[in-house]
Amino acid sequence: SQQGEEDPQALSIQEGENATMNCSYKTSINNLQWYRQNSGRGLVHLILIRSNEREKHSGRLRVTLDTSKKSSSLLITASRAADTASYFCATDARETSGSRLTFGEGTQLTVNP
Amino acid sequence: NAGVMQNPRHLVRRRGQEARLRCSPMKGHSHVYWYRQLPEEGLKFMVYLQKENIIDESGMPKERFSAEFPKEGPSILRIQQVVRGDSAAYFCASSSSAYEQYFGPGTRLTVT
Repeated sequence: SQQGEEDPQALSIQEGENATMNCSYKTSINNLQWYRQNSGRGLVHLILIRSNEREKHSGRLRVTLDTSKKSSSLLITASRAADTASYFCATDARETSGSRLTFGEGTQLTVNP
Repeated sequence: NAGVMQNPRHLVRRRGQEARLRCSPMKGHSHVYWYRQLPEEGLKFMVYLQKENIIDESGMPKERFSAEFPKEGPSILRIQQVVRGDSAAYFCASSSSAYEQYFGPGTRLTVT
């Protein structure tokens, strides 16, 4: 079964609005990470949240983690056109600790100027 | 401090040829990971290596694919006798602690 599923698949908002993306996973994790990928480019690491953390902030980014629901959310506040990209969550599962990240299918965010 | 380097960035091969993808990890990183991304999909884990050792290759296709990370030089992902279905972006990542992985820009392989 798919680990790390993002919701929604695509999101289109106006500049200045907030964008919220959700991620669900199925197994126990050590940590969960969010990445951004601009079209045709590599991945940029945004933020890592450990399993014993509930919330983390980095600039305009806010990540929450609910291990009881096996879900995480990424909030981008005051969005900009430059935030247009695909966003992926990735989990580092306890059973394969450090061996791999399991990525979801991503959320395509479009921020309209 | 250079990031993860991958080359070539774009590679075109005809069916049946071999593809060699190179990855130089960040300085001081001894863990290397390879992932494959098909169009419109997320990344899928292929293999995890440390210097001279394959730690986890559970994501590698059983045939035609191999990976190495020698004592000296970059990590190599080798695909023999490529087929159209191998067309994808191949990303390498490295880490020092097996936690936060830093990704390279990827190699886009096109099989014609």
